[in-house]
Amino acid sequence: EAQVTQNPRYLITVTGKKLTVTCSQNMNHEYMSWYRQDPGLGLRQIYYSMNVEVTDKGDVPEGYKVSRKEKRNFPLILESPSPNQTSLYFCASSFSIAGGSSYNEQFFGPGTRLTVL
Amino acid sequence: GENVEQHPSTLSVQEGDSAVIKCTYSDSASNYFPWYKQELGKRPQLIIDIRSNVGEKKDQRIAVTLNKTAKHFSLHITETQPEDSAVYFCAATTSGTYKYIFGTGTRLKVLA
Repeated sequence: EAQVTQNPRYLITVTGKKLTVTCSQNMNHEYMSWYRQDPGLGLRQIYYSMNVEVTDKGDVPEGYKVSRKEKRNFPLILESPSPNQTSLYFCASSFSIAGGSSYNEQFFGPGTRLTVL
Repeated sequence: GENVEQHPSTLSVQEGDSAVIKCTYSDSASNYFPWYKQELGKRPQLIIDIRSNVGEKKDQRIAVTLNKTAKHFSLHITETQPEDSAVYFCAATTSGTYKYIFGTGTRLKVLA
């Protein structure tokens, strides 16, 4: 089954304790992205990756890191989580075509609800 | 920076009526505009999209219109049904950047 998976789905942690949220897709998608969703603010892009070893900042990258060592995986790393990073996080993936002349549907993962105390 | 404004934030309609959600974008280079539907507790899912070389696109009860001059695009849902109740997000992106800017969402309630 074609899908985007995220782990963990729920996480409660404390300020300053490093954590990683994993994201994996089995659709051979080139493009992957992380979003956070907060009430009244919609979806805000944190980081995205156009392909292996190619990443760039979205609108709200502060306090986050990412890596894209393999095409299927795109982990989100919080080196020192703070309470303002309490949010619902979504990973998404899609095909992308060189030159940007066409876009395909972004498929979202199930979400990870993170609480930082 | 780039911005997408979405209105209204909440919308209630009677079953069978039409619903319209509007978005305005700031970056004139934006050329792809998807709409996502998010049901309660679920992930966003694409329902329709439009590219800047097209003025209107329709898929059964759902349509999207784009006015590049005014930099706004709209989602139209006709003959609304209770299962249309959800939060709808518009987004904009620009060829070559792959950076997505989302609107803040519209909570649509279809009253039976």
